[in-house]
Amino acid sequence: AQKITQTQPGMFVQEKEAVTLDCTYDTSDQSYGLFWYKQPSSGEMIFLIYQGSYDEQNATEGRYSLNFQKARKSANLVISASQLGDSAMYFCAMREGLIYNFNKFYFGSGTKLNVKP
Amino acid sequence: DTEVTQTPKHLVMGMTNKKSLKCEQHMGHRAMYWYKQKAKKPPELMFVYSYEKLSINESVPSRFSPECPNSSLLNLHLHALQPEDSALYLCASSHSRDTKISSGNTIYFGEGSWLTVV
Repeated sequence: AQKITQTQPGMFVQEKEAVTLDCTYDTSDQSYGLFWYKQPSSGEMIFLIYQGSYDEQNATEGRYSLNFQKARKSANLVISASQLGDSAMYFCAMREGLIYNFNKFYFGSGTKLNVKP
Repeated sequence: DTEVTQTPKHLVMGMTNKKSLKCEQHMGHRAMYWYKQKAKKPPELMFVYSYEKLSINESVPSRFSPECPNSSLLNLHLHALQPEDSALYLCASSHSRDTKISSGNTIYFGEGSWLTVV
């Protein structure tokens, strides 16, 4: 079974508008972490935001926020006020908390975001 | 700026060559990773070192040979590669155990090494 599912292969958004990138996950661990990364065409994997399963508040980092719905096992990324520089591939990822599995990091298939001027 | 440094950024090698990719981090992390990424695909885990010991090998062919000389350095030795091994190779590092602190569990990536096998 897929650990991380991103159902949107590509998205378009108008500059200055908000956009939501979807991510659902599958784990039976009580302790886990969810991540979003941005990968521009240069290749670097840029860390955006992290949500721990034990965090009660949704994570926010500047224009990025993570809409964490634990019961639904979803961790959607919201980008507010999109900028042209936000055009990139976005990956949702998870690591589980158990020691034997902690260093296995699961990626979704990615969403290619294009910001239109 | 990333705190995980990878060299070289670009590498072109023949199928009979021996080369190495290098990775360095100074964040005190004790887990280091090699990932391989093909175009338009997510990164695929190759190896994980935890406390300088190989803890995960995802059935990677022996023409890829990892090495962790110390807690800050990670190498990937390449020998007799095939053209299909051409890809972006990403190094990453993190704490090796659940820190129970949100920011402590993040995995940080380097800028990657673009490898072309001819």
